[in-house]
Amino acid sequence: DIQMTQSPSSLSASVGDRVTITCRASQGISNYVAWFQQKPGKAPKSLIYAASRLQSGVPSKFSGSQSGTDFTLTISSLQPEDFATYYCVQYNTYPYSFGQGTKLDI
Amino acid sequence: EVQLLESGGGLVQPGGSLRLSCAASGFSFNSYALSWVRQAPGKGLEWVAGSRGSGAGTYHADSVKGRFTISRDTFKNTLDLQMNSLRAEDTAVYYCARDSYGMDAWGQGTTVIVSS
Repeated sequence: DIQMTQSPSSLSASVGDRVTITCRASQGISNYVAWFQQKPGKAPKSLIYAASRLQSGVPSKFSGSQSGTDFTLTISSLQPEDFATYYCVQYNTYPYSFGQGTKLDI
Repeated sequence: EVQLLESGGGLVQPGGSLRLSCAASGFSFNSYALSWVRQAPGKGLEWVAGSRGSGAGTYHADSVKGRFTISRDTFKNTLDLQMNSLRAEDTAVYYCARDSYGMDAWGQGTTVIVSS
């Protein structure tokens, strides 16, 4: 099975900052990685698919990139509503696997 | 508008069974893969099971294999999860998600509590 190692597990930042979250896949998965934002008590919201493609309606402050089996989510110009937990998932092969999550707080 | 609405959650004793259902609307149900994803209290997301579109196959996480079964009803446009031999560690919010462009749509979730 494919493991997704996400880092950091938590991250403190300020309004206006730019932050980066990384997921490393245990083997090659092409670009089949998606990123989600989740707020307490809510369902996850899809941000990015295919490693770097923005979901419809998601602001361009969110971006994704890939280098081999390393995948990165970057959030620029943080606003109060961006403070949440972020997850990656690989959907190249069943069983799908999520990263452990990154809690972004102020 | 794509909508996914889960139901069937509740309180069940260890060893018991429960059947979750996800009613889908707003898209061609049989054309899409669908998944169940769960989240235990205070924990991260865990993929549980998946069903490819057009009956092309089903898949289950090792943690639920042999106990849970995913299925779909193409007449009712529902995705089901039959959960047997439930354990305390199955306590979670269960979400269904559409596997399109990396799980682009999610339901609001249904809560399963396994406790005596």
